[in-house]
This record gives sequence, structure tokens and C-alpha cells, in this order.
Amino acid sequence: EVQLLESGGGLVQPGGSLRLSCAASGFTFSSYAMSWVRQAPGKGLEWVSAIIGSGGSTYYADSVKGRFTISRDNSKNTLYLQMNSLRAEDTAVYYCRTEVYCSGGRCDYWGQGTLVTVSS
Amino acid sequence: DIQMTQSPSSLSASVGDRVTITCRASQGIRNDLNWYQQKPGKAPKRLIYAASSLESGVPSRFSGSGSGTEFTLTISSLQPEDFATYYCLQHNSYPGTFGQGTKVEIQ
Repeated sequence: EVQLLESGGGLVQPGGSLRLSCAASGFTFSSYAMSWVRQAPGKGLEWVSAIIGSGGSTYYADSVKGRFTISRDNSKNTLYLQMNSLRAEDTAVYYCRTEVYCSGGRCDYWGQGTLVTVSS
Repeated sequence: DIQMTQSPSSLSASVGDRVTITCRASQGIRNDLNWYQQKPGKAPKRLIYAASSLESGVPSRFSGSGSGTEFTLTISSLQPEDFATYYCLQHNSYPGTFGQGTKVEIQ
């Protein structure tokens, strides 16, 4: 069974840093791209960042480019999001997501989310 | 970057109604579009992938159509459990883009 478990959220002051983790299990982690999606309180979903299976290519939304860094450790089956220079508008629930091959095509999996609050 | 314009932002409907939600892409995305349902406090759940393929276990009252720049999610007969917020997601190119969401409320 595929599982994605985020951790690392919490309260941080504006300008501060935080690193989120997403522990994956139930699939061959290194074979699949992973992404982060966030949702500010009462707002819609926002795609944040993605990384291919090898880690060789990364992609970012303009809103986080230059401040956030996505990475992965395939030996630990773990995805990361390093968030620097945090702003109030980065306050959100952060989800990790992936699509993996399954019977019938590609199945879509999300973690339960971890809340990041940027406030003084 | 590709922009996704979703409409309406909200709608009120009754059980049994037919509901249609639209997403328009700022450029062609073939059929690289998913539809999601989200309920409060929960992660999104994919309903439709590749614009028109129904996710396993999703009721057949949900359907998707479209290709290129215009896409539609239809609920043929709204059920009480369908009151939720719906989003489209384009994954044709990075960065991915969600629509703004459509909140389906009880009339």
C-alpha cells in the first residue's frame, strides 16, 4: 500500500526557514516524480514544486522560486522541501503527491498534509 | 506558464441536479488534465484523469470531457456526498497549475 507521510510543519517567524519531509513507502520511490502542493487557509490548491525520480530536474512555481528547494534522498525514500525567507503568504497546509503505476494506469496519491504557519 | 481558468467559482444546486464545471487552459494541453474533489480537512481525491478517464471506484455519475484548451466535469445527478470543492489540474508542462476551484453547495 502506498503511503506518504509529511512532517516538519510548524510555526516560524517571517524570514525564517523550515524543512518539510515526506516519507514514502509501498512503491519504488526512485522511479517516480514527486511534487509538493499547498493550500492556504480557506483558499484553493497551489502547485509548489516537483522533482523527477532521479532528482536530476526540479521545477518551481514562480511564487517560491529562489526561496524553496525541493530534493529527495532515494536511499531513504524521502522527499524534502527546504523553505527559506518565509513569508506570511506561505502559511498553508503542504501536501506531497505522486502518481505511480497501478492496475489500470497511474494512481494518484497524496499525504495527509502538514501545516506551516508563518507569523510573528 | 499555463493558466487555468475554472468556472463557476461556486454554485448552488439540489440533489438530483446536473452540474457542469469548466476549465479553460491558456494554451493547448492535449488531455493532460485531472479533476479533483476536496472535502474540508481532507486531501484532494482524483476523480478523472487524462481529461475523461474515470478513476477506479468513482461513481459513474461523474464524467469528464474535453481536449486542448476546454474541459468539462459533469455530475449527472448530484448526490448529498458530492457537496464539496472541485479543482482541475493541468500537468502538461511544469509548473503544474490548478484551477481556482468550484464550491458546490446545497441549494
